[in-house]
Amino acid sequence: GDSVTQTEGLVTLTEGLPVMLNCTYQTIYSNPFLFWYVQHLNESPRLLLKSFTDNKRTEHQGFHATLHKSSSSFHLQKSSAQLSDSALYYCASTGGYKVVFGSGTRLLVSP
Amino acid sequence: NAGVIQTPRHKVTGKGQEATLWCEPISGHSAVFWYRQTIVQGLEFLTYFRNQAPIDDSGMPKERFSAQMPNQSHSTLKIQSTQPQDSAVYLCASSPGGDTEVFFGKGTRLTVV
Repeated sequence: GDSVTQTEGLVTLTEGLPVMLNCTYQTIYSNPFLFWYVQHLNESPRLLLKSFTDNKRTEHQGFHATLHKSSSSFHLQKSSAQLSDSALYYCASTGGYKVVFGSGTRLLVSP
Repeated sequence: NAGVIQTPRHKVTGKGQEATLWCEPISGHSAVFWYRQTIVQGLEFLTYFRNQAPIDDSGMPKERFSAQMPNQSHSTLKIQSTQPQDSAVYLCASSPGGDTEVFFGKGTRLTVV
């Protein structure tokens, strides 16, 4: 079945350093949507950004990701981490109605 | 638009008791999902409905968990004979359907003592 893999459970960074959270996926659908959701403490996950188009960079709130179908990847990046970026990040894919989430990566940004 | 509404926000039950969690999806959304979230397991898929019909319940513990969607405006997740390991935040989400984002409710924190 479909799956999403996030290899890092925890990423710790110093403020100002670049962020990269990994996401790879497996799906039977030829044209899946890929998503990044962010969940801050005591909140529910909310959409950060999404993409459908191969090799096109999508950006939102300083984060960006590019869907690469050749490598089934959708890594999340940011050039400079901020303290407020500390949160749990989920990568997800969907084909049709079913949404499949990765296991999540907790990002901790310290001063 | 009030978003996805979940009630109650917090529920404490004694071991062996029943717990019913409620979800009101966003009006017009055809897909409704239930997830369970714990620190250890992360976000676990339980079940989803499309146009009120159950489509996939592959994540549901079969013996004690059940979900229904009697009409387009609400869904329930029922846990019978609750156990301490059922303690978690249960999240309901809805989407317009197709390859679109899901919108999460604020969740119900279930504590089984």
